[in-house]
Amino acid sequence: DQQVKQNSPSLSVQEGRISILNCDYTNSMFDYFLWYKKYPAEGPTFLISISSIKDKNEDGRFTVFLNKSAKHLSLHIVPSQPGDSAVYFCAASARWGNKLVFGAGTILRVKS
Amino acid sequence: NAGVTQTPKFQVLKTGQSMTLQCAQDMNHEYMSWYRQDPGMGLRLIHYSVGAGITDQGEVPNGYNVSRSTTEDFPLRLLSAAPSQTSVYFCASSSQGAQPQHFGDGTRLSIL
Repeated sequence: DQQVKQNSPSLSVQEGRISILNCDYTNSMFDYFLWYKKYPAEGPTFLISISSIKDKNEDGRFTVFLNKSAKHLSLHIVPSQPGDSAVYFCAASARWGNKLVFGAGTILRVKS
Repeated sequence: NAGVTQTPKFQVLKTGQSMTLQCAQDMNHEYMSWYRQDPGMGLRLIHYSVGAGITDQGEVPNGYNVSRSTTEDFPLRLLSAAPSQTSVYFCASSSQGAQPQHFGDGTRLSIL
């Protein structure tokens, strides 16, 4: 039973356009959400996060939106760059906890 | 800035062999964890530790042992390797009760 789901295995976007990666979760105890980016042969690197008390968090080209009622979050990358091509993992944790539950990941390809 | 260091990067084992995957961090983090990454399944938590001398099981602990004798080190032991343990293993660390977790670059393990 997957508690965190990324239903799109891959996404292809033109350079300069917006990339939107989606993530759904089922566990109501999750209250902190993170996006990690992973290049081949490297470990996941933290990208951006959001607490359940917010519905939006922005960091440069990256924005994460949280819809608690729908148990859905999304990562927007604007504008997309070829260097953004990587696997993006959505992860969630419960209050005061360190344990992370990950989605299966979405492969993003940004074409120049 | 070493961060989280994992050794070895690659290893091939025969079924039934034992092995220890090493993980060390230099950030004085209390929380350390081991994940395995398999195609289409994201990262799954194997074992974790909230401090020296304290360990607990994650989602997929069977076939693995851990110990935490120091804050810096968190080795993962495979006592009798099985082909189902072929995977990429990631170690991560963070401050207790805090995110994000910082990941090492992984150990790619193949069991024949």
